Amino acid sequence: DTAVSQTPKYLVTQMGNDKSIKCEQNLGHDTMYWYKQDSKKFLKIMFSYNNKELIINETVPNRFSPKSPDKAHLNLHINSLELGDSAVYFCASSQETGWWQFFGPGTRLTVL
Amino acid sequence: AQSVTQLDSHVSVSEGTPVLLRCNYSSSYSPSLFWYVQHPNKGLQLLLKYTSAATLVKGINGFEAEFKKSETSFHLTKPSAHMSDAAEYFCVVSEIQAGTALIFGKGTTLSVSS
Repeated sequence: DTAVSQTPKYLVTQMGNDKSIKCEQNLGHDTMYWYKQDSKKFLKIMFSYNNKELIINETVPNRFSPKSPDKAHLNLHINSLELGDSAVYFCASSQETGWWQFFGPGTRLTVL
Repeated sequence: AQSVTQLDSHVSVSEGTPVLLRCNYSSSYSPSLFWYVQHPNKGLQLLLKYTSAATLVKGINGFEAEFKKSETSFHLTKPSAHMSDAAEYFCVVSEIQAGTALIFGKGTTLSVSS
């Protein structure tokens, strides 16, 4: 059973489009995260939700909007995609904020 | 404020020789420290964690790390490298008491040659 799953695994789209990435965890964790990994492998946190409430919102363009319908799901919606949005996006979860995290397999987003 | 520095961006070893990946941290509290591994085109996997218990921490696949407060270091070691160890390794710091998110180092690429 996959602990943290993401869909889709690959996403290729044109500039200006809107797309969503879904994330689900079956670990019963209270906190979920979205990270962006750039081409140099640098990982940067974007958002964190604890029990469906936003607790971390780093400097991210407001074209990115996370949504947490329940504490097992954290989706990421991106409006008006730009070339610079091309990256691998990872979802993660932890029992509590600041604890070690379990990561999903990643979604490779390519904007053409 | 917390931060983490991985001292080598790239480490190359031969199969069967020891591995040392260096990590220094800065933290205002008693930190928790982790090492994650990322194999090519894969997600991140937790290798080991230090959370204020024993300072020598053993992880998966024969890796271990030692927390040295006086040196603010948390270096990752393995006695004998295997080809399958070739991957990206991330040192991570967290201040659990502060409830902050994890801070990732920039990563060290480990190459293993036969």
